Amino acid sequence: NAGVTQTPKFRILKIGQSMTLQCTQDMNHNYMYWYRQDPGMGLKLIYYSVGAGITDKGEVPNGYNVSRSTTEDFPLRLELAAPSQTSVYFCASSYGGQGYGYTFGSGTRLTVV
Amino acid sequence: AQSVTQPDIHITVSEGASLELRCNYSYGATPYLFWYVQSPGQGLQLLLKYFSGDTLVQGIKGFEAEFKRSQSSFNLRKPSVHWSDAAEYFCAVGALNAGNMLTFGGGTRLMVKP
Repeated sequence: NAGVTQTPKFRILKIGQSMTLQCTQDMNHNYMYWYRQDPGMGLKLIYYSVGAGITDKGEVPNGYNVSRSTTEDFPLRLELAAPSQTSVYFCASSYGGQGYGYTFGSGTRLTVV
Repeated sequence: AQSVTQPDIHITVSEGASLELRCNYSYGATPYLFWYVQSPGQGLQLLLKYFSGDTLVQGIKGFEAEFKRSQSSFNLRKPSVHWSDAAEYFCAVGALNAGNMLTFGGGTRLMVKP
């Protein structure tokens, strides 16, 4: 099984550009998440989804959007890139319910210049 | 809201020495607790988790962690560190919420001296 697949692995954006970070999982997990990781700050939750068609904001949603049209895919959209969005982005999935751990993708390193 | 503190940003140990990484959490009820490891350029991998029951939890790669309610702690330990254990370690807490959302600590970077 591939697990959680994120593309691209690296990207450089100019200020004001838009892009979509892709995330796909093949484990039939209902729950999916987007986190950003900044040095010394741990991981901060951007958005999450508990099933197809259902999304909700996390701790740091401003400047991002998500959609969940299928169980497998959970893309993250940046509409107007800003330097503050320079970060490493991780997608994760979970079987669901309290106490289940996450399976993480390998991350996307995004730089906004 | 729950929170997690990992007091040590960096730790250096000699290969073969014992290791303890500290984690303190804040949550009003019994939490779900996790430790993850992140190797350079990689995603996070689950080491172990605590839900309830025995407070000493065994994980992969020879790691264990002990839940101490009185101290609000969930410290990670390993009796003998290997050079391949060099990585960043994250403690996380999960609460009773509909989204199974985890809150992560800031991480501890472990370096291993030969």
